Amino acid sequence: NAGVTQTPKFRVLKTGQSMTLLCAQDMNHEYMYWYRQDPGMGLRLIHYSVGEGTTAKGEVPDGYNVSRLKKQNFLLGLESAAPSQTSVYFCASNNRGPTNQPQHFGDGTRLSIL
Amino acid sequence: GDSVTQMEGPVTLSEEACLTINCTYTATGYPSLFWYVQYPGEGLQLLLKATKADDKGSNKGFEATYRKETTSFHLEKGSVQVSDSAVYFCALTDTNNAGNMLTFGGGTRLMVKP
Repeated sequence: NAGVTQTPKFRVLKTGQSMTLLCAQDMNHEYMYWYRQDPGMGLRLIHYSVGEGTTAKGEVPDGYNVSRLKKQNFLLGLESAAPSQTSVYFCASNNRGPTNQPQHFGDGTRLSIL
Repeated sequence: GDSVTQMEGPVTLSEEACLTINCTYTATGYPSLFWYVQYPGEGLQLLLKATKADDKGSNKGFEATYRKETTSFHLEKGSVQVSDSAVYFCALTDTNNAGNMLTFGGGTRLMVKP
């Protein structure tokens, strides 16, 4: 009963380092999303994908890149980490179809940039 | 663009007290409305939803009514428990949104004391 799985759960980086966050879903969902959560600001959409091989920018895409090579996986990359990217990152997935379908979330990745 | 505004927290209540968390929205299309809950250290879980005007969503003793005339979707519970302590997010998806993306409010932390 995995649902949406994010790895790693925690990571500390130094400014300028790069890393990739992995999101995997086993529900055969078409849509996948990456959000960041910062205190008092709710969740903000970074990038999203409406299908394998497609990606699009969300509200706060700068400094991040994404790839969706396989339907079940959605990767979020930080090429050169900055302290402003310290946040909790959530991945979510959803079925194609009516807008009343809820998104399913992973448990998050807590990322600290020193 | 779309937006969601919810009351700032934290909200601190004694067990068995009544809860109301206010949420108002602006949308360009015909939104579906959601309440998500985030327990400490976890991802977001769908609490309830409503997809058209005057619909009432309910779950685990919580309820919210989609009020188009006041553009509101307030969360209510008649008697809170310590286990309800969490962060609550109001969110919407809009019909003019090709990727079923969610727009979130800033979140309201609820603390229930025994």
